[in-house]
Amino acid sequence: SQTIHQWPATLVQPVGSPLSLECTVEGTSNPNLYWYRQAAGRGLQLLFYSVGIGQISSEVPQNLSASRPQDRQFILSSKKLLLSDSGFYLCAWRLPASDTQYFGPGTRLTVL
Amino acid sequence: GNSVTQMEGPVTLSEEAFLTINCTYTATGYPSLFWYVQYPGEGLQLLLKATKADDKGSNKGFEATYRKETTSFHLEKGSVQVSDSAVYFCALRRIQGAQKLVFGQGTRLTINP
Repeated sequence: SQTIHQWPATLVQPVGSPLSLECTVEGTSNPNLYWYRQAAGRGLQLLFYSVGIGQISSEVPQNLSASRPQDRQFILSSKKLLLSDSGFYLCAWRLPASDTQYFGPGTRLTVL
Repeated sequence: GNSVTQMEGPVTLSEEAFLTINCTYTATGYPSLFWYVQYPGEGLQLLLKATKADDKGSNKGFEATYRKETTSFHLEKGSVQVSDSAVYFCALRRIQGAQKLVFGQGTRLTINP
């Protein structure tokens, strides 16, 4: 069966520090991968998606970037965090032939 | 454009009460519709889905019917439990692009014993 992992589970970082969040999927090949952010008390906003290795599409301009160095690995990064980057970051995957996305457990990021 | 509007929360009910969480959408074509649930401190879990008009999705006692004429996908449960306390998100899958989901703002549900 397929599983999705995210780490770290929680992170507290100072403003201006770098960020790296990792998401990996097991038990499947060539998934579509997604990064979402959930700000406090708000809905989910799609940040990035990827249909293959090295292929990244950005949904909104922001202080973050994403990379997909391997088929089942998706990384969210920032060179300098802002206060507004605080939130709950969710990774999701989907098989190309399916319309259902499956979400990871999330990373709660607090920027101070 | 594509958008999803959910009833505003928070919603507080007593155990065994009837639940309805309203969801309406705006989309071109006939998108697939989803309800996801987020329990405290966790990621999202797919609760149910419907892919075409008049389809009924169901799971764990929850139901939602895809109503094209009213562009709605309301979530219902006949008798809620304390364990149903969570945030519920309605979503649609965009027809174009890499099948991106568009989410509503979420409805926080609290069930009191």
